[in-house]
Amino acid sequence: DSGVTQTPKHLITATGQRVTLRCSPRSGDLSVYWYQQSLDQGLQFLIQYYNGEERAKGNILERFSAQQFPDLHSELNLSSLELGDSALYFCASSVDGDTIYFGEGSWLTVV
Amino acid sequence: TQLLEQSPQFLSIQEGENLTVYCNSSSVFSSLQWYRQEPGEGPVLLVTVVTGGEVKKLKRLTFQFGDARKDSSLHITAAQPGDTGLYLCAGEHGGSNYKLTFGKGTLLTVNP
Repeated sequence: DSGVTQTPKHLITATGQRVTLRCSPRSGDLSVYWYQQSLDQGLQFLIQYYNGEERAKGNILERFSAQQFPDLHSELNLSSLELGDSALYFCASSVDGDTIYFGEGSWLTVV
Repeated sequence: TQLLEQSPQFLSIQEGENLTVYCNSSSVFSSLQWYRQEPGEGPVLLVTVVTGGEVKKLKRLTFQFGDARKDSSLHITAAQPGDTGLYLCAGEHGGSNYKLTFGKGTLLTVNP
C-alpha cells in the first residue's frame, strides 16, 4: 500500500460524458501528479500540482483539467469523453521532487 | 516521439535464468529510475541512478546508468516467479518539478 488513495477504481461511461477522478495523497506529501497509462502510449505525465498550485504540465488535453484543494487532495476532470480516453489514470504524490508514490489507479472505460 | 525506448517489449523465461533489459534514449537525463508494476497496481520505485556509470545493486537486481546518462540497463540474476511484472524506466530532466518521461516497459514473465 503506497498510501495514495484513488477513487473510483473502475468507471464505465459513455462518449461525450464527464467524469471526475479523485486522489488523496500520502500524508504530508505536497506534490500530486497525474499520469495516464494506455497500451499504445504507455505511461504519460499529465500534470503536477504543488501545495495547491499548478507546477508542471505534460500531455494533458484541453478537455481535461485538474486542481488541488487546500486539504491537498486532487481531482482530475475529464470532459467530452472519447473512446480513446479509455485508460488507466494514476495519481502519484511526493514530498517535493523526491521519491514519488503511485496509487493503484482509476480504470476508465469509455463506451 | 518516444524519448525512452525499452527492449525487449516482452520476455518470457524460466526460473533460474538471467536476463537483461535495456532503456535507451537520445536525451541526457539528470536521473533515471526503474519501476516494477504488477497487475492492478501502480508502479513501484526500485532504484534511482544519478551519476553516469553508476551501478546499483538491489539483491539479485543490478542497475547501471550509462556514462553519458542517456541509457540504462537492468540485469536480474537467477530470476524467480516473483520477479514477474512490467519493468518501466523513467527519465527526469531536472528542475523544480518532477516530470518523469517513461518508457513503454518490458513485460517479464518468469515461469516456474
